[in-house]
Amino acid sequence: TQLLEQSPQFLSIQEGENLTVYCNSSSVFSSLQWYRQEPGEGPVLLVTVVTGGEVKKLKRLTFQFGDARKDSSLHITAAQPGDTGLYLCAGARDSNYQLIWGAGTKLIIKP
Amino acid sequence: DSGVTQTPKHLITATGQRVTLRCSPRSGDLSVYWYQQSLDQGLQFLIQYYNGEERAKGNILERFSAQQFPDLHSELNLSSLELGDSALYFCASSVSGTRLNEQFFGPGTRLTVL
Repeated sequence: TQLLEQSPQFLSIQEGENLTVYCNSSSVFSSLQWYRQEPGEGPVLLVTVVTGGEVKKLKRLTFQFGDARKDSSLHITAAQPGDTGLYLCAGARDSNYQLIWGAGTKLIIKP
Repeated sequence: DSGVTQTPKHLITATGQRVTLRCSPRSGDLSVYWYQQSLDQGLQFLIQYYNGEERAKGNILERFSAQQFPDLHSELNLSSLELGDSALYFCASSVSGTRLNEQFFGPGTRLTVL
């Protein structure tokens, strides 16, 4: 069974601090996506990484795909209250591109 | 706005009842996915349809069923409802068939079973 483990499950930090969220698996993925979900709303796609070692930046957010395409990280610099939400990673299986979802990281940024 | 629509937004019903949730995918997307999300939990994949046919099944209960119609909209039917079925139900759509499989989510239906 393919699993995608996210850590930490919960993170509460002050505005201005940096943080990193991890998404790890023993399986290889053809691509990996990060979503952000705000309370009561549907997840919104932030980024898709495809190539091993790939780094993508979205303003203060930096996403990295591991060289072996088994893991990924999301780093937020100078976090702001607007970054608060549930961050979900999802990997597309190499065999049939079905998404495997992580359990999510609940992030709270305090002003 | 993702382009995926879901109705109704809220649904309150009693145990033992049956409800139908509706989803219209983004224009051009052939795949529809249904997810369940309980309070403060991650997404649980229920089922996927592609161009009218069932493509993949997740942790969907036998009391639940879904279908995708020729116009590509989809319905999720939940029957013999129990208190534990109270959750947010999301529909997502994608082009499908590509290694990216990027999914676009609707606003969800909040189901409350009393």
